[in-house]
Amino acid sequence: QVTLRESGPAVVKPSQTLTLTCTVSGSSLNTGGMCVSWVRQSPGKALEWLALIDWVEDKYYSTSLKTRLTISRDTSKNQVVLTMTNMDSVDTGTYYCVRGWSSGWYGGLDPWGPGALVIVSS
Amino acid sequence: DIVMTQSPLSLSVIPGEPASISCRSSQSLLHSNGYHFLDWYLQKPGQSPQLLIYLGSDRASGVPDRFSGSGSGTEFTLKISRVEAEDVGVYYCMQALQTPYSFGQGTKLDIK
Repeated sequence: QVTLRESGPAVVKPSQTLTLTCTVSGSSLNTGGMCVSWVRQSPGKALEWLALIDWVEDKYYSTSLKTRLTISRDTSKNQVVLTMTNMDSVDTGTYYCVRGWSSGWYGGLDPWGPGALVIVSS
Repeated sequence: DIVMTQSPLSLSVIPGEPASISCRSSQSLLHSNGYHFLDWYLQKPGQSPQLLIYLGSDRASGVPDRFSGSGSGTEFTLKISRVEAEDVGVYYCMQALQTPYSFGQGTKLDIK
């Protein structure tokens, strides 16, 4: 059974950098075709896709946020890390990591982590 | 970027009755491999989203067969043949044809 779990600070100050970690269990990040995406949800709002890293370490970003986002991975820990710079109150929300697959193996985004609530406040 | 538009944004359904949600994309979601890269997700209250349908019409593991997905090109539909109380939540379509992936605005379903 594959599980993902997000971890990181619950509160960050405006202008600070947010670092979130997604720990993947039950499947190696080196598995052919496997990807991990980050998705966020501001309170009461729709889901917003942020970034993706695949099994060969190619990286893809939201057009509107790409200047602030960096996605990376640590295969020794089977973790994916997302950093977001210059945090603002509008970045308050729940951040999810989720497993996906490249087009040749695509089966949707599943499973999702429980989410990490991040509040931006001074 | 591909823009996803859902309708309606909310619907209220009597248990046992059918429900339908539409999703339109700003460009075709047909991949060169012949599949449409369109997913449906349900976010139940207080929970993480869960996958219902992928590649337009394939039900995810464990999803009841009262859920079905259809469509092609830029027009897609999620149908629930007989709504049950446990189906309440917000439904999202998402395109995975190209990055950046994009979600619709969400459709909130509640029970009358």
